[in-house]
Amino acid sequence: AQKVTQAQTEISVVEKEDVTLDCVYETRDTTYYLFWYKQPPSGELVFLIRRNSFDEQNEISGRYSWNFQKSTSSFNFTITASQVVDSAVYFCALGRGDGANNLFFGTGTRLTVIP
Amino acid sequence: EAQVTQNPRYLITVTGKKLTVTCSQNMNHEYMSWYRQDPGLGLRQIYYSMNVEVTDKGDVPEGYKVSRKEKRNFPLILESPSPNQTSLYFCASRKQTDTQYFGPGTRLTVL
Repeated sequence: AQKVTQAQTEISVVEKEDVTLDCVYETRDTTYYLFWYKQPPSGELVFLIRRNSFDEQNEISGRYSWNFQKSTSSFNFTITASQVVDSAVYFCALGRGDGANNLFFGTGTRLTVIP
Repeated sequence: EAQVTQNPRYLITVTGKKLTVTCSQNMNHEYMSWYRQDPGLGLRQIYYSMNVEVTDKGDVPEGYKVSRKEKRNFPLILESPSPNQTSLYFCASRKQTDTQYFGPGTRLTVL
């Protein structure tokens, strides 16, 4: 069975602090994909990153970085020097590698950045 | 501009009154899906389609219908809406195992 757990329901940080959002996944597939999406207060879902299971290299994009560790089935997301515009709900999702169409989402982490 | 569009964006209706939420994509994607988002539950898939005239149930299909007569369109039909279908709905599309792109969402309230 596929499952994604985001244990942090809500996080508040003061602007310019670093924050890490945790994501733990379960799957028996050897090929799979992991995603992070951002949902700002306006409600749309914004794609942030996609990783496949064969690529454990960490990735950095500006103030965003992702730490993928297959040994702990985790795909954590860190925002460095947080800004008010980072306030949103962040979803981690798991996609199967066989082309099946379902994305399995975590329940989301609501991040509030306080100015 | 590559995008997924949904209409309407907001809808308030009453129990039992049939409604359709439209979804259209201009990226020539084969795969399209409908999800609903509820507090504390994340997003759950309702139905998906792998191509024209090919649709299948997702995790929470009860009370919904879909059709895929054209590649670009994937409407979601609620034949007899009930209050437990009050939710935020997202349409999504993608090519094969590529990233899934989401529409702007439709907030539905059933009274």
